[in-house]
Amino acid sequence: KAGVTQTPRYLIKTRGQQVTLSCSPISGHRSVSWYQQTPGQGLQFLFEYFSETQRNKGNFPGRFSGRQFSNSRSEMNVSTLELGDSALYLCASSLYPGKGLPGGYTFGSGTRLTVV
Amino acid sequence: TQLLEQSPQFLSIQEGENLTVYCNSSSVFSSLQWYRQEPGEGPVLLVTVVTGGEVKKLKRLTFQFGDARKDSSLHITAAQPGDTGLYLCAGAHLGETGANNLFFGTGTRLTVIP
Repeated sequence: KAGVTQTPRYLIKTRGQQVTLSCSPISGHRSVSWYQQTPGQGLQFLFEYFSETQRNKGNFPGRFSGRQFSNSRSEMNVSTLELGDSALYLCASSLYPGKGLPGGYTFGSGTRLTVV
Repeated sequence: TQLLEQSPQFLSIQEGENLTVYCNSSSVFSSLQWYRQEPGEGPVLLVTVVTGGEVKKLKRLTFQFGDARKDSSLHITAAQPGDTGLYLCAGAHLGETGANNLFFGTGTRLTVIP
């Protein structure tokens, strides 16, 4: 079965712009989580969606938002981009929240965002 | 803060050598996972350990969960260039559902030189 698909793979944006990233989970998976990965901070949890509802949110400013559609696909949006938002954004899917561990999280290849 | 510290941060070894990566925390976790991430890709789950003192073997990889469930180690025997990547540990708490309760370590970047 197809894995987790993230688009686009690479993105370059200018400071102050906004960006939308997309994630299509594994077929049948209803939970989607987003992470930000940077060399200095490692992997940090952004938010988690299940059945179109945000279940949990990490410690990120309100410029970071997301949503999930009825087909479980998810998007995350970052407004008013800052240089520090440059990172690899990863999406992970699982059948249900909580069922994501142990062993149930599958990550996509990520979107590499560069803010200039 | 549920901090998981990994050591070493960077490791460069010759093919055929053995190595051990450590994951330490002051917090107790109900389960701990190890992932490997290759450049340009997302992390891929290698193993999950859930019992204190548990040892799991995956071919040349041996994973151990500390007795107190605060630490873990990953030992690779006869490393190969294909083992190159970023190794991440991640701890989770029993009964607390959701991805916000999966805490990732700082990572160990391994390079195996042919």
